[in-house]
Amino acid sequence: GAVVSQHPSRVICKSGTSVKIECRSLDFQATTMFWYRQFPKQSLMLMATSNEGSKATYEQGVEKDKFLINHASLTLSTLTVTSAHPEDSSFYICSARNGMYQETQYFGPGTRLLVL
Amino acid sequence: DQQVKQNSPSLSVQEGRISILNCDYTNSMFDYFLWYKKYPAEGPTFLISISSIKDKNEDGRFTVFLNKSAKHLSLHIVPSQPGDSAVYFCAASARGAGKLIFGQGTTLQVKP
Repeated sequence: GAVVSQHPSRVICKSGTSVKIECRSLDFQATTMFWYRQFPKQSLMLMATSNEGSKATYEQGVEKDKFLINHASLTLSTLTVTSAHPEDSSFYICSARNGMYQETQYFGPGTRLLVL
Repeated sequence: DQQVKQNSPSLSVQEGRISILNCDYTNSMFDYFLWYKKYPAEGPTFLISISSIKDKNEDGRFTVFLNKSAKHLSLHIVPSQPGDSAVYFCAASARGAGKLIFGQGTTLQVKP
């Protein structure tokens, strides 16, 4: 159990376009999902916490207008990178918690974004 | 401020021997700790966790030890297998805070 999927797995786009990444919990309901970013050979950096039915909580330094997060249902959160630029190229990973009081997060497979 | 630190960027172990990965933390509010395994271009896979009310948790070949006074935890893998070769991240959370703080990762190589 506790399977999380992400789509797409890879995306290449032109500078200035917007890209949407989907994160789904397949076999459980996730009241909270998280979005991370990983640069090469670095750790995972939390970008924002997404709560179903409410606004996302962004970490310091993360532009909320740049990285739009929507958590419309208990199984789906989306991250939209708006007006993407080459510096937004990265590996984006989502995770989900199986319950409000569960600390363990289960991660999706990640999405590789390349902005040309 | 790196609240969770993995000071060894890499570790090489012979197949069949024990792998010991270490992690230190600074925030005394952390009360739940996790280890994840990650392959390149994939998401982390949950391995094992431990609550601060325990000092040891075991699951098959994986054992996590927690020393609260030293603010130190370790992951023991025994016996190590070539398939264990990956990057291992430790993570910590303060109950109620919801978010995980990750260490920098340790790359484990298990040689046949």
